[in-house]
Amino acid sequence: SAVISQKPSRDICQRGTSLTIQCQVDSQVTMMFWYRQQPGQSLTLIATANQGSEATYESGFVIDKFPISRPNLTFSTLTVSNMSPEDSSIYLCSVGTSGRPTYEQYFGPGTRLTVT
Amino acid sequence: GQSLEQPSEVTAVEGAIVQINCTYQTSGFYGLSWYQQHDGGAPTFLSYNALDGLEETGRFSSFLSRSDSYGYLLLQELQMKDSASYFCAVRSMDSSYKLIFGSGTRLLVRP
Repeated sequence: SAVISQKPSRDICQRGTSLTIQCQVDSQVTMMFWYRQQPGQSLTLIATANQGSEATYESGFVIDKFPISRPNLTFSTLTVSNMSPEDSSIYLCSVGTSGRPTYEQYFGPGTRLTVT
Repeated sequence: GQSLEQPSEVTAVEGAIVQINCTYQTSGFYGLSWYQQHDGGAPTFLSYNALDGLEETGRFSSFLSRSDSYGYLLLQELQMKDSASYFCAVRSMDSSYKLIFGSGTRLLVRP
């Protein structure tokens, strides 16, 4: 298993500003993922954070809006840039356990972002 | 692309059995997973079907039929604590192993 922590747990930000969310894992992992979950909705994958290379973004998400860093195998950051109220959501960091017969993904506790 | 559809809400009584369906349209995937998420909490892994058929884990079972593009999660002996949202998800066939989640089903267990 993997234990994931995220900082901050929640924040209220003004539109036009940026927020950087940190994700720390207690073990080295190859793949880290960033998801967004709006209240009452499903999880939408933003991007896959690759160590040593640029993140791979899903359709509808761009690097200028959601820059991601992955400096090592236990840490990643997601920045939400030039925020608007539509960015109000829960942002979740996740890691996978590739190579095992029962594939599991572990999730951090999430960062609840409110943009005013 | 991939899309996974689930009923938005299911209600059942304590002690009963409930089935949550997941129908999907995808070009290919490694397996179908199920996750549980309580309000305010993070999703947690429940079950994974790599192959067609039934997987049983305690009170929870999951089924996959690739020929029917269909799967389900079966919860037996329902308890109040089972009230949560349940998501099916497919594991992509590219090297990232990323999960793409279904629309989610909110389960309400009544006394």
